[in-house]
Amino acid sequence: GAGVSQTPSNKVTEKGKYVELRCDPISGHTALYWYRQSLGQGPEFLIYFQGTGAADDSGLPNDRFFAVRPEGSVSTLKIQRTERGDSAVYLCASSLRTDYTDTQYFGPGTRLTVL
Amino acid sequence: SQQGEEDPQALSIQEGENATMNCSYKTSINNLQWYRQNSGRGLVHLILIRSNEREKHSGRLRVTLDTSKKSSSLLITASRAADTASYFCATLRSNDYKLSFGAGTTVTVRA
Repeated sequence: GAGVSQTPSNKVTEKGKYVELRCDPISGHTALYWYRQSLGQGPEFLIYFQGTGAADDSGLPNDRFFAVRPEGSVSTLKIQRTERGDSAVYLCASSLRTDYTDTQYFGPGTRLTVL
Repeated sequence: SQQGEEDPQALSIQEGENATMNCSYKTSINNLQWYRQNSGRGLVHLILIRSNEREKHSGRLRVTLDTSKKSSSLLITASRAADTASYFCATLRSNDYKLSFGAGTTVTVRA
């Protein structure tokens, strides 16, 4: 079946602009996660959704970052007033449920470049 | 902050040789997972080992876990050029759901 998909695959924007990154999880997966990966580093957790609600947004770096999942499926990560330090690969993952052992399946990521 | 650390940071081997990389972590865990990443993009799940397991195999992969030392190792046997990638360990703490990744080991398999 189809895996996690993310659009766009690449996004180049100018400092100060607003961007939206989209994630389509695997059909039927109730848990959705956003991670951010800087060059040469491993992914770092941003936010976790169980269904429509953000169960844990403790990884969001500041209030310029916001994410939604209005219907419990597709999620959008929104970044306002982008800064050069926001440049990274943004990864989305989904899992069937959350009993702490479910495998998280990752999408191909969106590479964000802020000029 | 990242929970795990992989060692070595980079590894270059000849096709057919075995590749071994290690992961150390700091807090108690529910399970530890290994992922592969090609060209800095999507992560592919390789194997999951639970805290009450000591060794697990999947094809050419062998993972060990030593919870007393808070460490794990990933062995890739009979490496192929297609194994060239970055490998990350990720831990899942007890009663948590977010993965904590290390910085990864970059493996290059020379033909």
